[in-house]
Amino acid sequence: EIVMTQSPATLSVSPGERATLSCRASQSLGTNLAWYQQKPGQAPRLLIFGASTRATGIPARFSGSGSGTEFTLTISSLQSEDFALYYCQRYNNWPPWTFGQGTKVEI
Amino acid sequence: QVQLVQSGAEVKQPGASVKVSCKASGYSFSSYALHWVRQAPGQRPEWMGWINTGNGFRKYSQKFHDRVTITRDTSATTAHMELSSLRSEDTAIYYCARDGVPMIMFGGAIGYFDSWGQGTLVTVSS
Repeated sequence: EIVMTQSPATLSVSPGERATLSCRASQSLGTNLAWYQQKPGQAPRLLIFGASTRATGIPARFSGSGSGTEFTLTISSLQSEDFALYYCQRYNNWPPWTFGQGTKVEI
Repeated sequence: QVQLVQSGAEVKQPGASVKVSCKASGYSFSSYALHWVRQAPGQRPEWMGWINTGNGFRKYSQKFHDRVTITRDTSATTAHMELSSLRSEDTAIYYCARDGVPMIMFGGAIGYFDSWGQGTLVTVSS
C-alpha cells in the first residue's frame, strides 16, 4: 500500500503570511494527487486535483505543485477562514486511495 | 447545485449492522461514481469503497470487503452503505462523496472526491 506522509503536523502562521504544506508519497503518483481542506464539524472540501488544478470556486491564493513523490500546497496570503486541517490524497492506479495524516494550520 | 444528503446519526451495539443512505441531487446520478469514506475521531479519512451508479459494479477496500455492501437505487438517486459485524473501532463519521469526473471519461472512478455529504455519525457502543 502506498503511504502518504504530510509535514509539518502543525503549522503556526499569522494572517497575511504564506503557508507551505508538504506531502510525500512512498511511490510515484505522477500528478494523481488531491488536496482537501477540513474545518471542525464539516466534511472535507476539495481544493486541488491533478496536483495543481484548483477545484471549482477555490480562490487563487491556493496553489499546488509537484509530481512523482513530492507535492506542495501553498496558501499565498492566509485569510482567517483558511485556518483548518489540510489533507493530501493519492488517487493513482487502483484503490485503496489513501490520505495523508493531515497538517493543521493554526494561528 | 450538487447535493449529497445523508441519513441521520445511528447508535448501534457491537455485532449489529448499520445502513447509511446518501440522496444525490443537482446532477445526473448515473454519470458519476459514488464513494464511501469514513473518519474516526481525530483520524485521517479512510476510503471504504465505490459504486458505479450506472451498472452497479462495486469495489471495496480489502480492509472492509467482507463487512461492507454498497448499493444504489437509480430511481431514487440514492446510494446506501451497509456495514456489518460492528465493533467499537467502527465508531466514526461516514461520508458519501462524488467521484471527480464523469464515469464515461475513465470507464469508472478516478478516485478523488469533488462533493461530499454532510456525514453520518455512527456510534458503536454497548
